[in-house]
Amino acid sequence: DGGITQSPKYLFRKEGQNVTLSCEQNLNHDAMYWYRQDPGQGLRLIYYSQIVNDFQKGDIAEGYSVSREKKESFPLTVTSAQKNPTAFYLCASSMSDRALGAFFGQGTRLTVV
Amino acid sequence: DAKTTQPTSMDCAEGRAANLPCNHSTISGNEYVYWYRQIHSQGPQYIIHGLKNNETNEMASLIITEDRKSSTLILPHATLRDTAVYYCIVRVRAGGFKTIFGAGTRLFVKA
Repeated sequence: DGGITQSPKYLFRKEGQNVTLSCEQNLNHDAMYWYRQDPGQGLRLIYYSQIVNDFQKGDIAEGYSVSREKKESFPLTVTSAQKNPTAFYLCASSMSDRALGAFFGQGTRLTVV
Repeated sequence: DAKTTQPTSMDCAEGRAANLPCNHSTISGNEYVYWYRQIHSQGPQYIIHGLKNNETNEMASLIITEDRKSSTLILPHATLRDTAVYYCIVRVRAGGFKTIFGAGTRLFVKA
């Protein structure tokens, strides 16, 4: 089935360690996005990519890095520079040139201890 | 992308229609209205979108005012499984999904 897959669902890391969250889609979507959600809050955009080998910072990019080497994959690295990394991370994809909405993965809940 | 305003929370009795309002007074002519919902600890789920005509699909109906400054999402027969946070956002058709998701409306469907 076509869809967008995030793994793992839950992730625990020690403070000061970098961690990479996986996001894969087989929808043939051009654009992919990473959002962060804190308890009781909406979604905030971290990074987005409209095309392979290109990506732009969103509203809260500091402490995060991404890569887009393949159309299907858009991994997010939470670095030790991110001051408050514990959050729910959501990946999404969309066809940039269509009115159809974005499709979201089921999220990764990262807890840094 | 234009900003939207939604009530923080709403209640609805099971089996009744749930009407969720959204104000988007600064919407421009080429911006669509989208609705998503998020059930606890899951990714948001697309519901419906529209430009200026009313829209209906198997999940919901979307009513957009003639001046396009507000819209209403209607769940015709709410069930307990419709309890979720509902997000109203506006965006242009092309240009990706860089839009901001606000806090949305938390809908409680009660038995």
